[in-house]
Amino acid sequence: QVQLVESGGGVVQPGRSLRLSCAASGFMFRTYGMHWVRQAPGKGLEWVALIWYDGSNEYYVDSVKGRFTISRDNSKNTLYLQMNGLRAEDTAVYYCARGAEPLWWLPDYWGQGTLVTVSS
Amino acid sequence: DIVMTQTPLSLSVTPGQPASISCKSSQSLLRSDGRTYLSWYLQRPGQPPQLLIYEVSNWFSGVPDRFSGSGSGTDFTLKISRVEAEDVGIYYCMQSIQPPYTFGQGTKLEIK
Repeated sequence: QVQLVESGGGVVQPGRSLRLSCAASGFMFRTYGMHWVRQAPGKGLEWVALIWYDGSNEYYVDSVKGRFTISRDNSKNTLYLQMNGLRAEDTAVYYCARGAEPLWWLPDYWGQGTLVTVSS
Repeated sequence: DIVMTQTPLSLSVTPGQPASISCKSSQSLLRSDGRTYLSWYLQRPGQPPQLLIYEVSNWFSGVPDRFSGSGSGTDFTLKISRVEAEDVGIYYCMQSIQPPYTFGQGTKLEIK
């Protein structure tokens, strides 16, 4: 069955960096687009980024452009989110989600999420 | 960016009764390929979101048929024909016609 397990969250000071990972299993990772979606405490969902199955295209929400980078290692079945210049407003649970096949724009299965807290 | 607006923001429903949630987008979600890029998710308390409906009216795997989606262009509706206790949570619509993809604010469903 599809499994997505996020890791790498924690407490970080404003301006610092953090890298999230998402380990995928139960499907052919290298053929699926992948998303990151976040949820601030008590708030709604915010789509963050998308990467194509082969890493050839990336898309971001404006609020993270230039600070966050989505990437993947298909040999390790792992998705990443490099977060630089973190701000208090980046505090959220970060979910990775698989893009459906062939509907890569559609997050179908989601991980349990990892909490990132940006605070001094 | 496309703005997604859901109504109501909360509703309380007696088990066995129907429920309906509206979602309106600031731009048409119909693309030239004939697809309409509107989906619905349910986030149960303490859980990640789960996909219910995609492309307006298609059930995702394992979703009960008491859930149904309808609409076109900019106006969409999720209906639950007979609410059950396990339907409690927050429902989100999402557009994925163009990045950045955006969600509605969410509609909280409670059981009376």
